[in-house]
Amino acid sequence: QVQLVESGGGVVQPGRSLRLSCAASGFTFSSYAMHWVRQAPGKGLEWVAFISFDRSIEYNADSVKGRFTISRDNSKNTLYLQMNSLRAEDTAVYYCARGRAAAASDAFDIWGQGTMVTVSS
Amino acid sequence: DIQMTQSPSSLSASVGDRVTVTCRASQRISNNLNWYQQKLGKAPKLLIYAASSLQSGVPSRFSGSGSGTDFTLTISSLQPEDFATYYCQQSFSTPPTFGQGTRLEIK
Repeated sequence: QVQLVESGGGVVQPGRSLRLSCAASGFTFSSYAMHWVRQAPGKGLEWVAFISFDRSIEYNADSVKGRFTISRDNSKNTLYLQMNSLRAEDTAVYYCARGRAAAASDAFDIWGQGTMVTVSS
Repeated sequence: DIQMTQSPSSLSASVGDRVTVTCRASQRISNNLNWYQQKLGKAPKLLIYAASSLQSGVPSRFSGSGSGTDFTLTISSLQPEDFATYYCQQSFSTPPTFGQGTRLEIK
């Protein structure tokens, strides 16, 4: 069964850091580009970051550039999002998603269940 | 960034109705347009990719059309499980961007 399972969310103070993980199973993780997409409470979807299948290319949204880093470990079938200097506006459910093809801008065909990040003092 | 605008923002309909949701891009995006369904508290689900291709496992009552800047998602005969929020997303350029969503409610 193709599956993505996120973990690592929680409540964190502004300015602190958090690392999210996304464990993949049921498909050849190392062959797919991966993304993080977030959704603030009651709001729409916002793309956050992309990493190519071989880690050679990364892109971040302007809203997180310089603060968030996407990475992956293909030997562990796991995607990560290191979030530093967190702000209240980063409060959201964070989803990992598989890219349908290799492009940085693509359809997202498999989604995890999401993990909630709350930035609050 | 390419702006995606959906209309309407919300829609009330009955089981069995034919429903159409529209998505407009701020610039031409060829057929690089995808549609998602999101139920309350759940992750989005890909319905349509490349404007008109049905994702595997998605019922055939869902269809998509359009090219350039104007796109539509049509549900031919609404079923109870179709009441959800629908999002369009462009995959023409980075960053990929989403429409604001269309909430489909039971009349």
